[in-house]
Amino acid sequence: QSALTQPPSASGSPGQSVTISCTGTSSDVGGYNYVSWYQQHPGKAPKLMIFEVSKRPSGVPDRFSGSKSGNTASLTVSGLQAEDEADYYCISFAAANNLIFGGGTKLTVL
Amino acid sequence: EVRLLESGGGLGQPGGSLRLSCATSGLTFNNYAMTWVRQAPGKGLEWVSAISGSGAYTYYADSVKGRFTISRDNSKNTLYLQMNSLRAEDTAVYYCAKDYYYDSSALGGAFDVWGQGTMVTVSS
Repeated sequence: QSALTQPPSASGSPGQSVTISCTGTSSDVGGYNYVSWYQQHPGKAPKLMIFEVSKRPSGVPDRFSGSKSGNTASLTVSGLQAEDEADYYCISFAAANNLIFGGGTKLTVL
Repeated sequence: EVRLLESGGGLGQPGGSLRLSCATSGLTFNNYAMTWVRQAPGKGLEWVSAISGSGAYTYYADSVKGRFTISRDNSKNTLYLQMNSLRAEDTAVYYCAKDYYYDSSALGGAFDVWGQGTMVTVSS
C-alpha cells in the first residue's frame, strides 16, 4: 500500500498556528479512527504526539491537536515555538491489518 | 522508567541474515504489544512488524512478509526481529517501540516509548 500523503514542508512564525494534513483513502484514514501523529527531531527517535485522531498522551502540550474529516487527518500546532521545528509523521491503521505512515512533513518555525 | 535498547545491527550481505534484539526494562513486558519501525537514510518512517503481548498474533508489512520474523521472549523481556533474504532496500535504522495500549492485540499505531535505533546496512 502507498504511503499516506503529507505536504513535504510547512512553516509558520512563532505564536502562529500551522496545520499539517495527512490524506489517505477509505481503506485507511477514512475507515478507522486509529490515526496517530509523531514528532521527530534530527537524529532522535519519534515521539507520540496524538493518537486515535485527537487524543493527547500525558505530557504533550495542548498546543497540539488532531482532527479528521473524511479521508484526511490533520495535526494543528498552535502558538508555534522554536522547539516545534521538526519532522512530523502521521500513521493510520489500514485494512488487512496494516499500518501506513505518511511521507512526513518538515515543519519550519520562521 | 521504561527503556528499550536495540542491538544486532551492522553490515549484512544481500541474501544474508541478521537478528535484531530489543531489550526492555521498566514495564510488564507481556502486557504490551511491540513493534519494529525502520527509517532509511534521509527518508521517512516505515512500519515493519508488530507482535501482541502474548506473541500469539504477528503482523507484517508487505515489504518484509515472508522474509522477516518477529518474536518475543517474555521471560527475558526481549523482542526480536529475524531478518532473512536481506536486500539493499532493507538498509535503515530499525527502532523498536512499545504499544501505548495495555493488553491489546490490535494494531493501533500508537507507540509511546521508542528505543534509540540500530543501523542495518545491506551491502556487498
